[in-house]
Amino acid sequence: DAGITQSPRHKVTETGTPVTLRCHQTENHRYMYWYRQDPGHGLRLIHYSYGVKDTDKGEVSDGYSVSRSKTEDFLLTLESATSSQTSVYFCATTGDTNTGELFFGEGSRLTVL
Amino acid sequence: EDQVTQSPEALRLQEGESSSLNCSYTVSGLRGLFWYRQDPGKGPEFLFTLYSAGEEKEKERLKATLTKKESFLHITAPKPEDSATYLCAVHRHSGYSTLTFGKGTMLLVSP
Repeated sequence: DAGITQSPRHKVTETGTPVTLRCHQTENHRYMYWYRQDPGHGLRLIHYSYGVKDTDKGEVSDGYSVSRSKTEDFLLTLESATSSQTSVYFCATTGDTNTGELFFGEGSRLTVL
Repeated sequence: EDQVTQSPEALRLQEGESSSLNCSYTVSGLRGLFWYRQDPGKGPEFLFTLYSAGEEKEKERLKATLTKKESFLHITAPKPEDSATYLCAVHRHSGYSTLTFGKGTMLLVSP
């Protein structure tokens, strides 16, 4: 258990509204990641962080931004949600090193109408 | 560009019927190949890491193997509780890199 909690777990919103998903961890992990999972695409990396205020883009970062002002919180923001951003979002960590051993949260299901 | 292809997309087995899942990959310098298990409505759970061709890892009824082009996840005498989606991912040797995932194989084991 990597001590990751995601909120909200479920959200329905309308096109054009801003949405923020929160990932909270209690283990002081350095590396954190946001993925989205869609049928037919598998898991795709949106953004990642390697420390407070240190973030970078993944392969599907358009339309998303992230912030990490504290070690324990990694926020994913959709500035203006679109229907194509309907997905399940997973937060994950590899602890204090950049390995492939990801430990995931339970996911946040977002529906954009 | 790294590519990971998993087959079959779905597999239905009877309890006790052994089989294998395939993960074919293309990557420029493999740092590691990873297997994850995902139950419905849950986040993926890490199973194995394989680093070089010829390496094998085992956990209960699962055994993962690796060649230079593919990995197999062998399931011996599966039980219904092995039903899940199994994901394969590769990690590349290239500065700072992250994982590339396959689309997964959905396994259903019937009693």
